[in-house]
Amino acid sequence: ETGVTQSPTHLIKTRGQQVTLRCSSQSGHNTVSWYQQALGQGPQFIFQYYREEENGRGNFPPRFSGLQFPNYSSELNVNALELDDSALYLCASSFGRVAYGYTFGSGTRLTVV
Amino acid sequence: KQEVTQIPAALSVPEGENLVLNCSFTDSAIYNLQWFRQDPGKGLTSLLLIQSSQREQTSGRLNASLDKSSGRSTLYIAASQPGDSATYLCAVNEGAQKLVFGQGTRLTINP
Repeated sequence: ETGVTQSPTHLIKTRGQQVTLRCSSQSGHNTVSWYQQALGQGPQFIFQYYREEENGRGNFPPRFSGLQFPNYSSELNVNALELDDSALYLCASSFGRVAYGYTFGSGTRLTVV
Repeated sequence: KQEVTQIPAALSVPEGENLVLNCSFTDSAIYNLQWFRQDPGKGLTSLLLIQSSQREQTSGRLNASLDKSSGRSTLYIAASQPGDSATYLCAVNEGAQKLVFGQGTRLTINP
């Protein structure tokens, strides 16, 4: 049974650029959630995808968007990067619309300069 | 709006001590509560999950309790070891697609 894998591990982008982060969910899971964790803070919910449809969204602007593919992997896209977007981005997979528990990946560290 | 608070923010204890980490939440209508461990710069490792109908869960030296009516959970670590040093996060699942996290307790175990 494979866990949740995220790529890339680290990324440096310039303000105003666009970035795509990727996540492969754990085998058997059909739900993927994305979280943003600023330094010293707890993770904040960005959005969740269940069976390729958005299933909930946190308080993030529309320049944060996502996709889920038929194999349940997912992408997080951020347009017009701002310095405050620098954070650890975590992907979590689970099963069902209301999850029994979540399995997290190791994260992508995004630095915006 | 659900708010999760963890106290203390940081804790440093000598090796071998038993310790308790606290988590409180403002809305008792939760589906479950999950404790995670996070090493510096890394992702989250799930430690224990307690369903709303349960009072506690145990795994090895870890024991988590849940008192839904008072909005509190505790994580008890027995016989602490230097390898337990990490940030511990609690998160509540309201059944509304998301986890709400506390800010974490940064634990240091001194040899």
